[in-house]
Amino acid sequence: EAQVTQNPRYLITVTGKKLTVTCSQNMNHEYMSWYRQDPGLGLRQIYYSMNVEVTDKGDVPEGYKVSRKEKRNFPLILESPSPNQTSLYFCASSFTGLSQPQHFGDGTRLSIL
Amino acid sequence: GQQVMQIPQYQHVQEGEDFTTYCNSSTTLSNIQWYKQRPGGHPVFLIQLVKSGEVKKQKRLTFQFGEAKKNSSLHITATQTTDVGTYFCAGRGRDDKIIFGKGTRLHILP
Repeated sequence: EAQVTQNPRYLITVTGKKLTVTCSQNMNHEYMSWYRQDPGLGLRQIYYSMNVEVTDKGDVPEGYKVSRKEKRNFPLILESPSPNQTSLYFCASSFTGLSQPQHFGDGTRLSIL
Repeated sequence: GQQVMQIPQYQHVQEGEDFTTYCNSSTTLSNIQWYKQRPGGHPVFLIQLVKSGEVKKQKRLTFQFGEAKKNSSLHITATQTTDVGTYFCAGRGRDDKIIFGKGTRLHILP
C-alpha cells in the first residue's frame, strides 16, 4: 500500500532533549516536505527536499534540522526542543517538484514541556 | 513575502445548503491545489488547477482558478455530513515554494 509513515504518532518530552521524528515513503517520490499545523495558522512549511542530498528551508525552519540521505527517508530533528515547538507535524511527499499532489502522513503530535 | 489568504475561517451551514471558500494570493501563482482534512485526519489532495480561468468539477464540488491566477474558489453544492472538515488551498509561487492558506473549517448542521 502506498503510504507516508511517520513515527512516533505522539510524543511528550521536555525542553532541550533532542528528538527525531522519522518519515518514510514507499512511493519512490523525489519531493518530501515537513509541515507544522497550529490552530488558526494552518499548515506552515518547515523544510523541503527536492531529491537526495538536496534540502531547503521553508517558511518556519528555525529550531529544526532535516537530512535526506536516502530517497525514502526524511527525518525531522529538533536538537533542543522548546515549548513553542509544541505542534502537530505532518510529513508529505510527491513524485517530483511542486506541481504534483502531496501525500501526507498521519501526523505526529509533539508536546514539549 | 508571498501570502495566501483564505476566507472564511469557519462556516456553519445547514445540511443541503451550498458552501464556498475563497483563496487570494498576493502574487501570481503557477498553480493552486486544494486539500481536505477531516477532523483528526491528515490533508488529502482533492485537485490541482493550472490554467488561467480553469474550472474543474468533482461531483458536487466545483473548483475555479481566476483569470489573473491570483485567486481560487471551492464551491460545494448541497452539502452533506460527509463534507465536514477543513479545506485548504495551497499555491505555488514564483519562488516555487508552496504556501498553504489557513483553511476553512466547515461544520454541517443536521
